[in-house]
Amino acid sequence: SAVISQKPSRDICQRGTSLTIQCQVDSQVTMMFWYRQQPGQSLTLIATANQGSEATYESGFVIDKFPISRPNLTFSTLTVSNMSPEDSSIYLCSAGGSSYNEQFFGPGTRLTVL
Amino acid sequence: AQKITQTQPGMFVQEKEAVTLDCTYDTSDPSYGLFWYKQPSSGEMIFLIYQGSYDQQNATEGRYSLNFQKARKSANLVISASQLGDSAMYFCAMRGMNRDDKIIFGKGTRLHILP
Repeated sequence: SAVISQKPSRDICQRGTSLTIQCQVDSQVTMMFWYRQQPGQSLTLIATANQGSEATYESGFVIDKFPISRPNLTFSTLTVSNMSPEDSSIYLCSAGGSSYNEQFFGPGTRLTVL
Repeated sequence: AQKITQTQPGMFVQEKEAVTLDCTYDTSDPSYGLFWYKQPSSGEMIFLIYQGSYDQQNATEGRYSLNFQKARKSANLVISASQLGDSAMYFCAMRGMNRDDKIIFGKGTRLHILP
């Protein structure tokens, strides 16, 4: 099974600033996924990150607000730019496992924007 | 487009009773996988059980079983002999058969186990 780590685990930020979240997978994966979970809500896919190409964003999410890097097959970053209190959420990264019935998640980054 | 529907926002169940969490889905893909996750207050996503669309038998994992009715497009999670530690948010999710397919989630059901 894959192990996914995220840094930071939580942060409190001021509005107007940016935060970069790191995601590390202990095995090589083609796709990595970034999700947002607003308080009391379900997980919403922000974008899919493929190594060597630009991320694919879901409707309602744009690259200027959530730039993503994917420099290699085990690592990705998500930046939350020009933050507002509405960006206060848990951000999770995810990747499929080596078996078709596996989908793993990082522990999440709990972001609070003041 | 794929869609997951969980119609129970919250449930209260007495400890040691069995509980069924509902999940219906919609997809035009012939092959897909259905997942259930548990999310305690700590926020981590804990995988519980998986059902493939072509699996002949309902999946079981310990106290968890999946009541899969393909024709009705439902994949209900059954937890037997509930415990206080089962209190959490539960999400039903769907993905294609490829590990690189994106996974989508229902709105979730918050389960409260009463002592």
